[in-house]
Amino acid sequence: QVQLEESGPGLMQPSETLSLTCTVSGFSLTSNGVGWVRQPLGKGLVWMGTIWAGGSTNYNSAVQSRLSISRDTSKSQVFLKMNSLQPEDTGTYYCARHSRYNSGYGPYFDYWGQGVMVTVSS
Amino acid sequence: DIQMTQSPASLSASLEEIVTITCQASQDIGNYLSWYQQKPGKSPQLLIHSATSLADGVPSRFSGSRSGTQYSLKINRLQVEDTGIYYCLQHYSAPYTFGAGTKLELK
Repeated sequence: QVQLEESGPGLMQPSETLSLTCTVSGFSLTSNGVGWVRQPLGKGLVWMGTIWAGGSTNYNSAVQSRLSISRDTSKSQVFLKMNSLQPEDTGTYYCARHSRYNSGYGPYFDYWGQGVMVTVSS
Repeated sequence: DIQMTQSPASLSASLEEIVTITCQASQDIGNYLSWYQQKPGKSPQLLIHSATSLADGVPSRFSGSRSGTQYSLKINRLQVEDTGIYYCLQHYSAPYTFGAGTKLELK
């Protein structure tokens, strides 16, 4: 079955670089895109960026200058790197699988990881 | 960027009641609209995709509809397990944008 699992450090200092890993199973990264979604504590969901099945990426302009998403298809892993962290980057980070484009009006998010909480504080 | 205006922000309803949540898109997004339910401490779960299609395993009391650029999620006969926060998402064009969420509680 499809699974996604985020991992990474829980506590970061301001100005540091965040590195998160999303390990997937039950599907191939060359068949579906994977996106990252952030949720500040007690607030709503914000799409951060996506790496598509073909390897191209899209980023939210709000974080584009600080964000990089990459992958290792042989390990079924997607990576998020975001530099110059600030306290407002605190929140839960989810990776989620995009449906295929030909699955209705895709690519919506059809499976989500459990999320990883990241706190940015000195 | 496409803005998704979701309403109401919060809603209190009784068991078996019919509940409707709406999202208004700032421009035409066709049927590129999905709905998610999030329970406390959990990740969002897909309810509706393609504006009106029920996701696998989702109870049939959930339904989605579209009228122009307004999208609605309807819950027939509200159940205890339906409490949580509901979000819409437009995936017509990047940046993909979520509605602000609707917190649904039982009265």
